[in-house]
Amino acid sequence: KAGVTQTPRYLIKTRGQQVTLSCSPISGHRSVSWYQQTPGQGLQFLFEYFSETQRNKGNFPGRFSGRQFSNSRSEMNVSTLELGDSALYLCASSQTGTAYEAFFGQGTRLTVV
Amino acid sequence: GEDVEQSLFLSVREGDSSVINCTYTDSSSTYLYWYKQEPGAGLQLLTYIFSNMDMKQDQRLTVLLNKKDKHLSLRIADTQTGDSAIYFCAERQAGSYQLTFGKGTKLSVIP
Repeated sequence: KAGVTQTPRYLIKTRGQQVTLSCSPISGHRSVSWYQQTPGQGLQFLFEYFSETQRNKGNFPGRFSGRQFSNSRSEMNVSTLELGDSALYLCASSQTGTAYEAFFGQGTRLTVV
Repeated sequence: GEDVEQSLFLSVREGDSSVINCTYTDSSSTYLYWYKQEPGAGLQLLTYIFSNMDMKQDQRLTVLLNKKDKHLSLRIADTQTGDSAIYFCAERQAGSYQLTFGKGTKLSVIP
């Protein structure tokens, strides 16, 4: 079974631009979550989607948005990029169920210059 | 609010046991997880424990949970150089699909 696939692996963008990151979950998993990882703040929850609906949202500005498609693939978008948005963005997929084991992709390393 | 705390560094000799500790504050946490992150990689789920359990063992890994003290530990038996990584403790509240992570413990294994 293929794991969680995130594309692209690396991105360099300029301040003020926008960026879209993609996540393909494990086959059969309908829940997709996004996290931002930085050296200073650690791992912070962005949002979670299930069946194309956002169920949870973290404490991030409105510049961060996401969506999920009918095939469970998800994208997140960051508009008007700031230097502080430089981070590793991780996507996780989960089956529904009580344990909610979340399996992570390799991440997308975003650098804003 | 919830908070998860871990010590930042741990150094052990190859072949010894490693014990990584974690404390959490949210008493409504239902599941607690341990993840491993190697350089340049994503997070690998190692194991998890349900809050009504005290202990869970999975090969070289043993998780101990003290609900009264809100203390979680991960013991790695016979630690190998391949175990060198950052280990994250995470909790999930009842009814939520959000994981709250600690800052991570960097485990260094000395050959």
